[in-house]
Amino acid sequence: DVKVTQSSRYLVKRTGEKVFLECVQDMDHENMFWYRQDPGLGLRLIYFSYDVKMKEKGDIPEGYSVSREKKERFSLILESASTNQTSMYLCASGQGAKGYTFGSGTRLTVV
Amino acid sequence: QKEVEQDPGPLSVPEGAIVSLNCTYSNSAFQYFMWYRQYSRKGPELLMYTYSSGNKEDGRFTAQVDKSSKYISLFIRDSQPSDSATYLCAMGARFSGNTPLVFGKGTRLSVIA
Repeated sequence: DVKVTQSSRYLVKRTGEKVFLECVQDMDHENMFWYRQDPGLGLRLIYFSYDVKMKEKGDIPEGYSVSREKKERFSLILESASTNQTSMYLCASGQGAKGYTFGSGTRLTVV
Repeated sequence: QKEVEQDPGPLSVPEGAIVSLNCTYSNSAFQYFMWYRQYSRKGPELLMYTYSSGNKEDGRFTAQVDKSSKYISLFIRDSQPSDSATYLCAMGARFSGNTPLVFGKGTRLSVIA
């Protein structure tokens, strides 16, 4: 089975901190994605990457950046965390036609 | 009009009931359709996948696609308390390159014992 591993299940950070969320997949997928999920708003795409060193903005990229230096690793960076970035963050990998595999999620709280 | 519409619920049913979950969409280019199940505080997991129109059955689950009506459904027979979760539909277009899947917002289902 494809595994998508997110480095942390729960994180608490202070406003203004730089935050790194790491994601690793083990199935050699080219495409990787970062979503945030909030009650009533569903999954919202932040950034995605279809190749090493490539990145594309999703629907809500403001306040975030990403890094993909290796095919298996896709990092989400909050440059200066704010309270409105408190959310569940989900990483996924896969090809559209075959569906995505999601990680278990990171619940980030910014205080 | 949003690309994918899904009733958020919540939907509460007694154990053993037949559950029907639905999504409508507006993009006629969508050709593959998925259902994900998400338990509380977990990531979504792929439950069913269908391509184009028709039905697909897997145990107690049946996925149905009606492309003429732009409507997809997931039926759960003999529902169990363990089916309590949020169900998200997702869809994509063939030959869409790297265009990401489009997800519904999810329907929260509770099956009461």
